[in-house]
Formats: sequence, structure tokens, C-alpha cells
Amino acid sequence: EIILTQSPATLSLSPGEGATLSCRASQNVITFLAWYQQKPGQPPRLLIYDASNRATGIPDRFSGSGSGTDFTLTISRLEPEDFAFYYCQQRSDWPLITFGQGTRLEIK
Amino acid sequence: QVQLQESGPGLVKPTETLSLTCGLSGGAIRSTMYYWGWFRQPPGKGLEWIGTIYHSGTAHYNPSLRSRVTISTDTSKISLSLSSVTAADSAVYYCAGPPDVGPENDYYYYMDVWGKGITVTVAS
Repeated sequence: EIILTQSPATLSLSPGEGATLSCRASQNVITFLAWYQQKPGQPPRLLIYDASNRATGIPDRFSGSGSGTDFTLTISRLEPEDFAFYYCQQRSDWPLITFGQGTRLEIK
Repeated sequence: QVQLQESGPGLVKPTETLSLTCGLSGGAIRSTMYYWGWFRQPPGKGLEWIGTIYHSGTAHYNPSLRSRVTISTDTSKISLSLSSVTAADSAVYYCAGPPDVGPENDYYYYMDVWGKGITVTVAS
């Protein structure tokens, strides 16, 4: 099983600042990695797929990068609605899917 | 755009079988190319993949749940069955599926359509 480790567990920032979230895979997942946003009481929302491609309707302040075992989600200018949980997910092992444990992005 | 809606009992007794259904509505379905997945999220915890089923009926399961899980489908719904449940199976259960693109597009391999989720509690 491919283990995904996200850091930090919690990130405290202010609106307007930039955010950098990390995801490290226990083995090479090439670029088969996605990022999801989840707000309380809501299902996950796909933001980024294949490491760097924005899903339909996702604002361009969200960007993803990385390959192999190290990946980054960057939010360039935080809006109030961006404070949420973020999960990375790999599909290198398709159809077996695993998620990271999540990063909580909270308002400072 | 396809919409998904989970349904089923919100309370299940320990040792019994949890049975949920995910209904599909709206949009145009590429009936020979689609797959659907079940996921769950225990209270205050992260997401866990339960399994995936293709329109053909072929299913793949999380190894940690394989002995207890069955996922099945017809043209309009996906069903989840989880046997011998314990309190550890209490969670919000989601069904999800890919965007409306074909498998030649890498976007196809990610869950972009999600149901709202259903909370299931295992308790006597």
C-alpha cells in the first residue's frame, strides 16, 4: 500500500497570504496525485489532478506541483472560503486508492 | 452533470450488515466507460477508499475491507454491503464518480462527482 504523508497537520494563515501544503508518498507515484478540499459537512471537492492540472471550475489561485514522491499544493492568495481541510490522493496503484491524513488550513 | 445521492439506514447494530444505495440522476452517462466508488470518513478523521465498481460489474476493494465488502451496480444505482460491522465502521459514507470524459483523458481517473454523504452509526 502506498502511504501518503501530509504536512503540516495544521497551517494557520491570514486571508491574502499564500499557503503551501505538502504531500509525500512512500514510493514513486509519478504524477498520479490529486488534491481535494473538504469543508465541514460537505463532500470532498477535487481541486488538482495528475499533480498539476486544475479540475473544472477551480480558480487559478490553486496550483499543484511535484513528481515522484514529493508534491505541493499552493494557494496564492487565501480567500476566506479557502480555509478548510485538504487531502492528497494517489492513483498510481489504480484501482487501489489511498489518501493522505489531511492538512487543516485555519484562519490565524 | 450526473448527481449522486446516498440512501440507507442511519443506524446499524453491531455484527449486522450495513447496506447502502447510491442513486444516479441527471446528465449523460457514458454507460460503457463509467466506474463508481464508495468512500467513508469516520468522525473527525480522514477519507478512506472502500471500493470501486465498473459498469461491467467488475469490482475492486480496499484490502483491509475485502473480506466484508460487496459493491454491485445496475444502470441507475450502486449498492454497498458491509458485513459484521463494529463501532469502527461508524462514518459518513460517500459514493463518487469520475467527470464526464473518456478514459483517454487522465481526468477520468479521479473522483469529481460526489454525493452529499450519509452518516451511519453502528450501535446497539
